[in-house]
Amino acid sequence: EVQLVESGGGLVQPGRSLKLSCLASGFTFSNYGMNWIRQAPGKGLEWVASISSSSSYIYYADTVKGRFTISRDNAKNTLYLQMTSLRSEDTALYYCARRGMAHWFAYWGQGTLVTVSS
Amino acid sequence: DIQMTQSPASLSASLGETVSIECLASEGISNDLAWYQQKSGKSPQLLIYAASRLQDGVPSRFSGSGSGTRYSLKISGMQPEDEADYFCQQSYKYPLTFGSGTKLEIK
Repeated sequence: EVQLVESGGGLVQPGRSLKLSCLASGFTFSNYGMNWIRQAPGKGLEWVASISSSSSYIYYADTVKGRFTISRDNAKNTLYLQMTSLRSEDTALYYCARRGMAHWFAYWGQGTLVTVSS
Repeated sequence: DIQMTQSPASLSASLGETVSIECLASEGISNDLAWYQQKSGKSPQLLIYAASRLQDGVPSRFSGSGSGTRYSLKISGMQPEDEADYFCQQSYKYPLTFGSGTKLEIK
């Protein structure tokens, strides 16, 4: 069974940093591209970043480019999102998601909540 | 960026009724479209990918269709467990983008 478990969320002040993790199990992690998607409270879904299986290809939404860094450690079956210069508009539930055969999101974690507030 | 215009924003349906949700892409996306269901307090779940292919385990009352820039999700026979938010997503090119969502409620 595919499982994705996010962690690392919390309350952080504007301008500070936070690192999210997503531990994967139930599939060969090194074979799949991975993604971060977020959802602000009561709002829709926003794609944040994607990384290919070997980290060769990385993409970001314009809203986070230059502030967030997606990475992965295939030996640890873990996906990361390093977030810096956080803003109030980054407040959201952050989901880790595994891609399908193409760039859709076949499996989702339960999410980790990031709240940016002073 | 490809904009995904989803409609309606909300709708209510009676049990057994057939409902449709539409997504219009700002440019052609070659059937690279997925649909997700999100129940209250839960993570989204993939229903349909490649515009019309049913994800494993998804009931056959769900179906997807469309081409070019226009796509739709149909639920043939509304069930209580179908009350949820639904989102479309284009997987054609980066940045990946979602529709704004449709809230489906039981009448």
